[in-house]
Amino acid sequence: DAGVTQSPTHLIKTRGQQVTLRCSPKSGHDTVSWYQQALGQGPQFIFQYYEEEERQRGNFPDRFSGHQFPNYSSELNVNALLLGDSALYLCASSGQGDQETQYFGPGTRLLVL
Amino acid sequence: AQRVTQPEKLLSVFKGAPVELKCNYSYSGSPELFWYVQYSRQRLQLLLRHISRESIKGFTADLNKGETSFHLKKPFAQEEDSAMYYCALIRWGKLIFGQGTTLQVKP
Repeated sequence: DAGVTQSPTHLIKTRGQQVTLRCSPKSGHDTVSWYQQALGQGPQFIFQYYEEEERQRGNFPDRFSGHQFPNYSSELNVNALLLGDSALYLCASSGQGDQETQYFGPGTRLLVL
Repeated sequence: AQRVTQPEKLLSVFKGAPVELKCNYSYSGSPELFWYVQYSRQRLQLLLRHISRESIKGFTADLNKGETSFHLKKPFAQEEDSAMYYCALIRWGKLIFGQGTTLQVKP
């Protein structure tokens, strides 16, 4: 089991563009959470998906949206990119036996120019 | 509001010295607390959670509800402990992280 995987590893975009980040959860996990980690900060919760629906949402604008597929993989979409969206985006998964232990992926580093 | 505070950005100790990474939280109710670690060029990984009361890699953490603290301790630091450490609490599936403390263990 490769654990949580994310793609791409790095991405460069310009202001105003849109971006899609992808995450595959750990085998056997059905819940995916997304976090944004700005440089020098701890991760901040964006939202969580379970059974293809957004279950929880953090304090992020509607420009941030997501999706979960029937195979439990997930996408994070960000529209109208701002310079301040430059960050490491982390995906974490958890499973039915222990919803509160989250396993993290390696992250996607997004740079907005 | 729920919050996690790690007051030290950097903690530097010599190999063999005791380590204490501080974590304070604000939470109404019974918190579920975690320590996560990120070694250089590796992903964020769970180190320990208070509910399991385990000792992982020699680290322990005790929940002190009176002081609202969950400090991470190790009696004898090793060079391989050098990493970034994050304290976090969970509420409704949402992890709330502190800003992190870099632990530097010098030879």
